[in-house]
Amino acid sequence: GAGVSQSPRYKVAKRGQDVALRCDPISGHVSLFWYQQALGQGPEFLTYFQNEAQLDKSGLPSDRFFAERPEGSVSTLKIQRTQQEDSAVYLCASSLTPAGETQYFGPGTRLLVL
Amino acid sequence: GESVGLHLPTLSVQEGDNSIINCAYSNSASDYFIWYKQESGKGPQFIIDIRSNMDKRQGQRVTVLLNKTVKHLSLQIAATQPGDSAVYFCAENGKTSYDKVIFGPGTSLSVIP
Repeated sequence: GAGVSQSPRYKVAKRGQDVALRCDPISGHVSLFWYQQALGQGPEFLTYFQNEAQLDKSGLPSDRFFAERPEGSVSTLKIQRTQQEDSAVYLCASSLTPAGETQYFGPGTRLLVL
Repeated sequence: GESVGLHLPTLSVQEGDNSIINCAYSNSASDYFIWYKQESGKGPQFIIDIRSNMDKRQGQRVTVLLNKTVKHLSLQIAATQPGDSAVYFCAENGKTSYDKVIFGPGTSLSVIP
């Protein structure tokens, strides 16, 4: 594919609503990462997949956050019962192999929780 | 929570001048460092990387310097152009079995035409 794509690009949710954010990594990339980026700050790691296996979810801020990559390609980040503090840009990145490879980032999904 | 980071450090340079962006990293065990450029509304874009067995690495118009003694990285951009205006992040690997990347706070570069 041309690059990492994410959808939707913008999402406005009412507090308490569930949201699902989609990431389409570069075809054939083994590794997939999710990051959260608050306004004016650097991206912060949320979770990592190697193919379909979620090997690290230490960055997920609460049990309201859930990510999956069932077939080792497309991934979905789900946030249940959204809160205002969840407002941020959610970035997805993929890399060809688990180690030593450049991560390619998507454009992000900007989530605003009202 | 804290509101730190809402006002990024800003560097303003004249078009054609050289830019130097500095970064302090936290983990003395990190052995791989990356500079990313992020334009408004886009994801971070890889610029250049360096491993800890090197002090300097050059790319096209960019140079990264690594000082492990004081845990300091710098990115030098030669002949800065308006298209270089963006936020620049340094990042280090998190010493896991995969390349877990930890980003620094970022510096906003503004190029004055």
